[in-house]
Amino acid sequence: GAVVSQHPSWVICKSGTSVKIECRSLDFQATTMFWYRQFPKQSLMLMATSNEGSKATYEQGVEKDKFLINHASLTLSTLTVTSAHPEDSSFYICSLPPGTSGTDTQYFGPGTRLTVL
Amino acid sequence: AQSVAQPEDQVNVAEGNPLTVKCTYSVSGNPYLFWYVQYPNRGLQFLLKYITGDNLVKGSYGFEAEFNKSQTSFHLKKPSALVSDSALYFCAVRGSGGYNKLIFGAGTRLAVHP
Repeated sequence: GAVVSQHPSWVICKSGTSVKIECRSLDFQATTMFWYRQFPKQSLMLMATSNEGSKATYEQGVEKDKFLINHASLTLSTLTVTSAHPEDSSFYICSLPPGTSGTDTQYFGPGTRLTVL
Repeated sequence: AQSVAQPEDQVNVAEGNPLTVKCTYSVSGNPYLFWYVQYPNRGLQFLLKYITGDNLVKGSYGFEAEFNKSQTSFHLKKPSALVSDSALYFCAVRGSGGYNKLIFGAGTRLAVHP
């Protein structure tokens, strides 16, 4: 069964609004979670690592004020795209870091497709 | 620096024929190698991994991959392709020595024709 869930699976919003994406670890307690972004026909780009109880770690070039990450509990991490614009339209995927499940495997959520009009 | 190369953007194969999706890597130390598959509008699904041991790794859905240290390759293979195997395949590498982040290749789109 699924190890990681995401909600919503897809969302359409107007330019200038904010969108929150939830990522849940279903079977394991996760002190960290990875957030990726994937443009059409491209590979995954790591955006940031959320940390339970502390600030997220952002990759170089990722705007921390645009992409707000909160790791509220050991099973929930959220990504909020603030003041979204059409160029933020993408597929956002969260992932459970290796070791969380007791194995070397990194498990991924099903993804959230964001379309900004 | 760690890197992964998938030299083919797309691989076309007829149903029932064997398939190979190529991957080469560059990493210091012993590599941890992974293959993931992604269906349209879905997240990545784990297929198989190589950590240590037998160079031929068997995974989900009849896929296997062969680790070749001298050629720094980890090609994904399947003896008989199915139309349902059509998807986007990602090779990924992680360096040894702890739970570091995965580095993904650009992906290869596999198209299996009836």
